[in-house]
Amino acid sequence: ETGVTQSPTHLIKTRGQQVTLRCSSQSGHNTVSWYQQALGQGPQFIFQYYREEENGRGNFPPRFSGLQFPNYSSELNVNALELDDSALYLCASSLTQGSYEQYFGPGTRLTVT
Amino acid sequence: TQLLEQSPQFLSIQEGENLTVYCNSSSVFSSLQWYRQEPGEGPVLLVTVVTGGEVKKLKRLTFQFGDARKDSSLHITAAQTGDTGLYLCAGAQDNYGQNFVFGPGTRLSVLP
Repeated sequence: ETGVTQSPTHLIKTRGQQVTLRCSSQSGHNTVSWYQQALGQGPQFIFQYYREEENGRGNFPPRFSGLQFPNYSSELNVNALELDDSALYLCASSLTQGSYEQYFGPGTRLTVT
Repeated sequence: TQLLEQSPQFLSIQEGENLTVYCNSSSVFSSLQWYRQEPGEGPVLLVTVVTGGEVKKLKRLTFQFGDARKDSSLHITAAQTGDTGLYLCAGAQDNYGQNFVFGPGTRLSVLP
């Protein structure tokens, strides 16, 4: 059974650019959540996908968008990058929508210059 | 939005000592989780507590959920250097497993 994987591990982008981050959920899990963790802070919920549909969203602007594919892998897209978007982006998978337990990937460290 | 506070923010102790870290909110959570995160890695789930007053033990770690489901504590007995890390609590805002709210974490350093 493979765990949650994310790619790339590190990324440097320029302000105004767009970025796509990828996540493969743990085998058998159909729910994926994305979090942003700024330096020195706890993760903040961006949104959750369940069976390819957005299933809840935190307080993030529309330039943060996502997708979930039939194999339950997921993408996080961020348009018009801002300096404050620099953070560790974490993906977490859960067995299903109502599961309390979620398992995190190692994250993608995004730096916006 | 419900907020979680954690205390202390930083803690540095000697190996073998005991410690307790706290997670508090003014709001009720349907469940609460504790995670440990090491540098460059994602958080690793330690425990989920659901029932008010619930106590769970994981080897040297004891977790308690407050009776009113607004607060929780993590007690570590005889800390080891391998316990070093960022301890995060996270509360579920609903019963659907969505939108976990995380606290800012307690950064623990256990010195040899």
